[in-house]
Parts: sequence; C-alpha cells; structure tokens
Amino acid sequence: ETGVTQSPTHLIKTRGQQVTLRCSSQSGHNTVSWYQQALGQGPQFIFQYYREEENGRGNFPPRFSGLQFPNYSSELNVNALELDDSALYLCASSIEAGWDEQYFGPGTRLTVT
Amino acid sequence: KQEVTQIPAALSVPEGENLVLNCSFTDSAIYNLQWFRQDPGKGLTSLLLIQSSQREQTSGRLNASLDKSSGRSTLYIAASQPGDSATYLCAPIYGQNFVFGPGTRLSVLP
Repeated sequence: ETGVTQSPTHLIKTRGQQVTLRCSSQSGHNTVSWYQQALGQGPQFIFQYYREEENGRGNFPPRFSGLQFPNYSSELNVNALELDDSALYLCASSIEAGWDEQYFGPGTRLTVT
Repeated sequence: KQEVTQIPAALSVPEGENLVLNCSFTDSAIYNLQWFRQDPGKGLTSLLLIQSSQREQTSGRLNASLDKSSGRSTLYIAASQPGDSATYLCAPIYGQNFVFGPGTRLSVLP
C-alpha cells in the first residue's frame, strides 16, 4: 500500500465528452505527477504539480489539464475525449522534487467509445 | 529525444533461477533511476531508486546497478519465485519527468 488512492477505478465515456479523474496523495507529499499508460506500453508523463503550481508538462495537448489542492488531492481533466485517450491513468506522489522516489496509485481505467 | 529500451521484452523461467533484466537509455543526463513492477491492470510498485551518484542499490533478492555514462541499468533477481511474475519497468528520471521503458514481462513457472 502506497497511500495513494485514485477514483474512479473504471470509467466509460463517449467521444467528445469531458472527464475528471481524482487522486489523493500521501499527507506531506507536495508533488503529484500524472501519467497515461496505453495497453502494452510504459506510462507517459502528462504533467506534474508542485505545491499547486504546474511544474512540468509532457507532450500532451492543452485539453489535458490539472489541478492540485492544499489537502493533497488533485485532478486530471480531459476535454473533448478521443478514442485514443482510452488508457490507464496513473497518478504518483513524491515528497518534494519530481526526481524524488515516486509512489503510484492503482490507476483509473478510462474507456472512450 | 530521451528513449528507453528494455531487453528482453518477455522472459519465462522456472522457479529458482537468477535473472538479469536490462534497461538502456539514450540521454545519460539523468538525476536518478527507479525500477518498478506492475501486475496486470494495476498501478506501479516501487522496487528500487538509484541516485545518479550511486553504482548500485539492493533490496532483499533484488539488486540494481547503474552505469550512467553508458546509459545502462540492470536489475538482478536472485532465486526467482512465482510471485515475481509481473512486468518490470525502468524509469530514468530527467528533472520532473520519468521516462519509462516498455517493460520486461516476466513469468516464473512453479
């Protein structure tokens, strides 16, 4: 158990809709990162938040956005869903800087039809 | 471009064997490197974190080495067990960005 939780576990959406995924980090972990993992591939970095500010972003379009809250919870929002957005979405937290050891949640499986 | 490869892609061995999983990365300017295991459909479990100034790190039956200059890391698993069956992922860390390899899918047969 890493202490990082994600909700929901599974989600089915229709192309064009919007979705919000949630993550709860361990208390005291100031950094949260989000990853997209397509089937059979390694996770790909979406973005990272440190103390509620975006602290780095991977090669994902602006329709992927996020928020981090003072209570160690965070959100990943995806607008205008596309079929290729179907994936496992993982959040990970670390104490301070992004290069610290990261602790992953169990993920949210998103299916876009 | 920062790319990570892992060899082999898949491995099936009988219980008790010692294993070596390989990870190569094209950009050697890493901060640290972390190894994970992932069970099917699940999140990632951290195994070992090697800082860029270290050469190796050990935890129980696991030993990971890092050769930063040549862009390589190796995960050694001693006396493999069926419970070790999972996908093993390496992730060199560049600033805030963890760049993951595709993983090695390990199956340990009883």
